[in-house]
Amino acid sequence: DTQMTQSPSSLSASVGDRVTITCRASHDIANDLAWFQQKPGKAPKSLIYATSYLQIGVPSRFSGSGSGTDFTLTISGLQPEDFATYYCQQYKTYPYTFGQGTRLEIK
Amino acid sequence: EAQLVQSGENLVQPGGSLRLSCGGSAFFFSQYNMNWVRQAPGRGLEWVAYISGGSTVIHYAESVEGRFTISRDNGKKVLYLRLNNVRVEDTAIYYCARENDKGFWIDLWGQGTLVTVSS
Repeated sequence: DTQMTQSPSSLSASVGDRVTITCRASHDIANDLAWFQQKPGKAPKSLIYATSYLQIGVPSRFSGSGSGTDFTLTISGLQPEDFATYYCQQYKTYPYTFGQGTRLEIK
Repeated sequence: EAQLVQSGENLVQPGGSLRLSCGGSAFFFSQYNMNWVRQAPGRGLEWVAYISGGSTVIHYAESVEGRFTISRDNGKKVLYLRLNNVRVEDTAIYYCARENDKGFWIDLWGQGTLVTVSS
């Protein structure tokens, strides 16, 4: 199985900050990586696919990069609605696997 | 607007069975591959199962293989997950999730169904 490791597991930041979350795959997954946002009590929301492509309606302050085994999600200019938990997921091979999540909190 | 609507909460005893459903609307259901993903209380996301649009390809997580069955009825636009021989550790919110028709990434989620396994 391909293990996905996110860091940090939690992060405190202020409105307007730029934050970066990293995701490392245990095997080469090319660019078959997605990012999701989840708020308490809600279903996940799809943010990014194929490493760097924004889902329709996702603000441009979100961006993704990487390839192979190392990936990043960057949020430039944090907004109040961005405080949530973020997950990466590889869909290169079965079983699909998720990172353990990064909780982004208000400082 | 495309959406996935899931059936309601379930309480089941260990060793019991139940079936979850997920209805699709406002999109051509049979053209889309579908998944189930679960989330235990206070934990992260865990992929459970996959089914292709025509039900010809199916995959399961090792933790549910042999106990859970994914299926779909394209005529009714409904995705199912049959859970047999459930365990306490199967307690979770179960989400259905649609894959984009141009690739294998998830682009749409259901609202989730809580399954509680307890005696």
